[in-house]
Amino acid sequence: AQSVTQLDSQVPVFEEAPVELRCNYSSSVSVYLFWYVQYPNQGLQLLLKYLSGSTLVKGINGFEAEFNKSQTSFHLRKPSVHISDTAEYFCAVTLNSGYSTLTFGKGTMLLVSP
Amino acid sequence: GAVVSQHPSWVICKSGTSVKIECRSLDFQATTMFWYRQFPKQSLMLMATSNEGSKATYEQGVEKDKFLINHASLTLSTLTVTSAHPEDSSFYICSARDGTSGIVGNEQYFGPGTRLTVT
Repeated sequence: AQSVTQLDSQVPVFEEAPVELRCNYSSSVSVYLFWYVQYPNQGLQLLLKYLSGSTLVKGINGFEAEFNKSQTSFHLRKPSVHISDTAEYFCAVTLNSGYSTLTFGKGTMLLVSP
Repeated sequence: GAVVSQHPSWVICKSGTSVKIECRSLDFQATTMFWYRQFPKQSLMLMATSNEGSKATYEQGVEKDKFLINHASLTLSTLTVTSAHPEDSSFYICSARDGTSGIVGNEQYFGPGTRLTVT
């Protein structure tokens, strides 16, 4: 079975500073990887996904992530954050063969202050 | 495209009553829908997977008689919390997978969630 680890439960950062949210996964087979954002009392919105090909994936709102197979990581980055980026971020993984369910990490709360 | 709605967005009910939550895919056919539960400041916990026209598959530890799931059409799934108790208070989120997009990505589209409070 696959698993996802988000080591940081909370990441405080100042506005316009860069940020990296860490995600590591464990799986015995190949996977697809996702980052979702959740604003308070809302559902999840897909930021970006890695299926195959280029290991650097660009998503919405200026976010990008890099798939590193050797380190089994899929860290999310943004070069300059805004107050509006304050939200919960979830990394998720699913098997890349057939239909399978999503396995989520515990989430990282990004707190952007002025 | 790929919009999923949930109704109601929030509900307060008395202990012992039943509550039905609807999940609709508005612009695509969802052969598979998922129901998640999320406690405050925690991740999403998958409760069950439902395929249109068949019985839902529940995750271990989820009471199928308490959380009734129906997926009668390609655009609608419902979750009924029967005889609700305060411990059932939570944020319930559904998601749907587009059955016409093939298996690439296995992408799920999420609804906005329903906040259930049982008093």
